[in-house]
Amino acid sequence: SQQGEEDPQALSIQEGENATMNCSYKTSINNLQWYRQNSGRGLVHLILIRSNEREKHSGRLRVTLDTSKKSSSLLITASRAADTASYFCATVPTGGGNKLTFGTGTQLKVEL
Amino acid sequence: KAGVTQTPRYLIKTRGQQVTLSCSPISGHRSVSWYQQTPGQGLQFLFEYFSETQRNKGNFPGRFSGRQFSNSRSEMNVSTLELGDSALYLCASSSSGMGLGEQYFGPGTRLTVT
Repeated sequence: SQQGEEDPQALSIQEGENATMNCSYKTSINNLQWYRQNSGRGLVHLILIRSNEREKHSGRLRVTLDTSKKSSSLLITASRAADTASYFCATVPTGGGNKLTFGTGTQLKVEL
Repeated sequence: KAGVTQTPRYLIKTRGQQVTLSCSPISGHRSVSWYQQTPGQGLQFLFEYFSETQRNKGNFPGRFSGRQFSNSRSEMNVSTLELGDSALYLCASSSSGMGLGEQYFGPGTRLTVT
């Protein structure tokens, strides 16, 4: 079963706007990873944030992690139509090897 | 480096048959994990292999099995296929065996059971 929830389930914005997605999880973690998926294809790795990190940046992506609230957020700045996809957070639990537990995903649509 | 590759990309099988899917990890990665993605259940963990040993197994029936070879390539097998096994099957590889590193996914195998 999926561990976490993502919020919102769907998000529609205009090109150039920022998009924020939130993820909540339930157990202690080693790290949290964000992925993008286009139309039922493979998952593209976006960013990994470790449990002792609070914020991480990669290009137009900014990820925050609050382990006390067991939550994370992904911010995409200056969105483009090509960012249209589903976004998933996935956690690696402490002592869980490489098992990823995924959230329910956010469907982002960026309109021209 | 080449990414994670999966073969075949698409499969159509009949109920009761069995199927074998293959995954080649990124060169040097010794951890391979398998996931099933369906519209109803989302992304669910099947199993993980590291250095030819199964380390973790998800909550799937025994019809789902896998193995890893000495070159880290992995296969998963589903026997006695059911309609509900129709899904996108994804594999991921990682250089870390301790759950500390990035995990990279292949393009998936789309299995349709009729």
